[in-house]
Amino acid sequence: DAKTTQPTSMDCAEGRAANLPCNHSTISGNEYVYWYRQIHSQGPQYIIHGLKNNETNEMASLIITEDRKSSTLILPHATLRDTAVYYCIVRVAIAGGTSYGKLTFGQGTILTVHP
Amino acid sequence: DVKVTQSSRYLVKRTGEKVFLECVQDMDHENMFWYRQDPGLGLRLIYFSYDVKMKEKGDIPEGYSVSREKKERFSLILESASTNQTSMYLCASSSDRVAIFEQFFGPGTRLTVL
Repeated sequence: DAKTTQPTSMDCAEGRAANLPCNHSTISGNEYVYWYRQIHSQGPQYIIHGLKNNETNEMASLIITEDRKSSTLILPHATLRDTAVYYCIVRVAIAGGTSYGKLTFGQGTILTVHP
Repeated sequence: DVKVTQSSRYLVKRTGEKVFLECVQDMDHENMFWYRQDPGLGLRLIYFSYDVKMKEKGDIPEGYSVSREKKERFSLILESASTNQTSMYLCASSSDRVAIFEQFFGPGTRLTVL
């Protein structure tokens, strides 16, 4: 699985967009980019995933560069409840072989949203 | 919304006790997972199941067993609890093989073994 690199921490003002970067320069053609977050003392929460096109859902937008070596998760109007650790993961989407659905989180980015 | 519930948020047990952690999902998902999460070690997969009565070992199955008698329920059993099993236990589910990494987690059970 491709390795990902994220900043250790970021701050954002409430109501502003939070842009969280992730580098995955060794990503291969069949690997997707997934984003999760974990609010303190809660279970992780799936946010979004994508292959090469930009994706948007009710929680966030995912922008993947054309060469797929990096991506940005965008929370368009951050709230205090978005304060969490955000994890970027690269995995082949479909289970098979040795890929049996195991999620492995790196250090992630601690996003703090300020009033 | 997918709902994954776990039987307890906090649990305190004594060394040697048999411990049952229950997980229930309400979205007819095929896959279910048990992880533990420890500071500095991240998320580690204990067991997973891709169908009723099917189970596969994850990375750290020693000291644990699982049961999946019904599609919606996946139980984790600590046969004889030890202090090194003090941890946050997280259950997750995902719909099928195609969406296996879109996992929905429960709130977690913080287990302390004395």
